[in-house]
Amino acid sequence: SQKIEQNSEALNIQEGKTATLTCNYTNYSPAYLQWYRQDPGRGPVFLLLIRENEKEKRKERLKVTFDTTLKQSLFHITASQPADSATYLCALNTGGGNKLTFGTGTQLKVEL
Amino acid sequence: GAGVSQSPRYKVTKRGQDVTLRCDPISSHATLYWYQQALGQGPEFLTYFNYEAQPDKSGLPSDRFSAERPEGSISTLTIQRTEQRDSAMYRCASSFGGVDTGELFFGEGSRLTVL
Repeated sequence: SQKIEQNSEALNIQEGKTATLTCNYTNYSPAYLQWYRQDPGRGPVFLLLIRENEKEKRKERLKVTFDTTLKQSLFHITASQPADSATYLCALNTGGGNKLTFGTGTQLKVEL
Repeated sequence: GAGVSQSPRYKVTKRGQDVTLRCDPISSHATLYWYQQALGQGPEFLTYFNYEAQPDKSGLPSDRFSAERPEGSISTLTIQRTEQRDSAMYRCASSFGGVDTGELFFGEGSRLTVL
């Protein structure tokens, strides 16, 4: 079956450390992968998009990698801050066209 | 408009009633999405529109669910004969282009409770 899996357990890290979140997928061949941040009670907010021919993308303290062989994307937040605490969602274009399918999300907690 | 606007923000209805949710996307955005989100889960795809065309409605759970975007702008999601399992947050999002250009802008959602 087709799946997009993110670690369902919350990730707790100390302020200043690098947070690494994973997104694994099976039976899809996405051309694009996106990452979103979602705060409690709010809609998701776009962070980064990476294309299948791009291995890595950076934006300020964020870095995303996309390995189409492993069918995995890694999302890194360097020098993490308590304000980075949120749920992070990956999303893939699936099924052709503009269909965008989201993973289950991983909750990140950055502690002082 | 400045952002994606959804109404109502909260809707409580009795089982068996019909419900219509509305989404007003960002005015220049061609693509509009509907998602259903349960607490603690990621958004589940329902359907999307390119202007008024609806290329994919594979995520609609049953024929009780339907969506329209007749003039390529405002969209409605209608749930007929609501059931308790339809209780969820319904999120609308819009984007200027397709998923290759990125960035879906989400509204604040419509929380539906079916008693």
